[in-house]
Amino acid sequence: NAGVTQTPKFQVLKTGQSMTLQCAQDMNHEYMSWYRQDPGMGLRLIHYSVGAGITDQGEVPNGYNVSRSTTEDFPLRLLSAAPSQTSVYFCASSRESSYNEQFFGPGTRLTVL
Amino acid sequence: AQKVTQAQTEISVVEKEDVTLDCVYETRDTTYYLFWYKQPPSGELVFLIRRNSFDEQNEISGRYSWNFQKSTSSFNFTITASQVVDSAVYFCALSEAYNNNDMRFGAGTRLTVKP
Repeated sequence: NAGVTQTPKFQVLKTGQSMTLQCAQDMNHEYMSWYRQDPGMGLRLIHYSVGAGITDQGEVPNGYNVSRSTTEDFPLRLLSAAPSQTSVYFCASSRESSYNEQFFGPGTRLTVL
Repeated sequence: AQKVTQAQTEISVVEKEDVTLDCVYETRDTTYYLFWYKQPPSGELVFLIRRNSFDEQNEISGRYSWNFQKSTSSFNFTITASQVVDSAVYFCALSEAYNNNDMRFGAGTRLTVKP
């Protein structure tokens, strides 16, 4: 039981490049989410999904896309990276909704030059 | 929109001291959940506790205790007899009923426990 896995662990991009952060969970959780963590600001919700085929925006969705084609996977796409997207990104999953305990992945540290 | 405030940015204590981490929240909803998560130096977030808005009973788990007071919109976390392994960033978070898929976190409190 791997829990929530994220790849890559580190990534450096140039402004304007695109990339996908991968997230997978093996707990059959309906709810999955993406957060970004910036110094002094805690974690902010980017997008979330309550099941395959269903996604919605969180607090800071601009510049990011998501899709949920399977229960297990929830990739986060940066369409055109900007320095403001330099952050640590966490994926999480839980049963049903954010009401329940969320299990977090190890994070991806992204730097945009 | 809901809001969580952790006014203490950093706290430093000496081992065996008791320490309280403050959390104040704002919500217009009557049904909500409050959480505490721990982020040790390794970086992963670890769930500590969840309370719903209808249960104001204080909770104790070993050296950890939580004090939930709706009258002051606070959900404070106390570590008794702190240990070096308690050094971490601690986050308080809130999830409302009307939008139970949007969780808001506080900015976090960095606790350093010195030997």
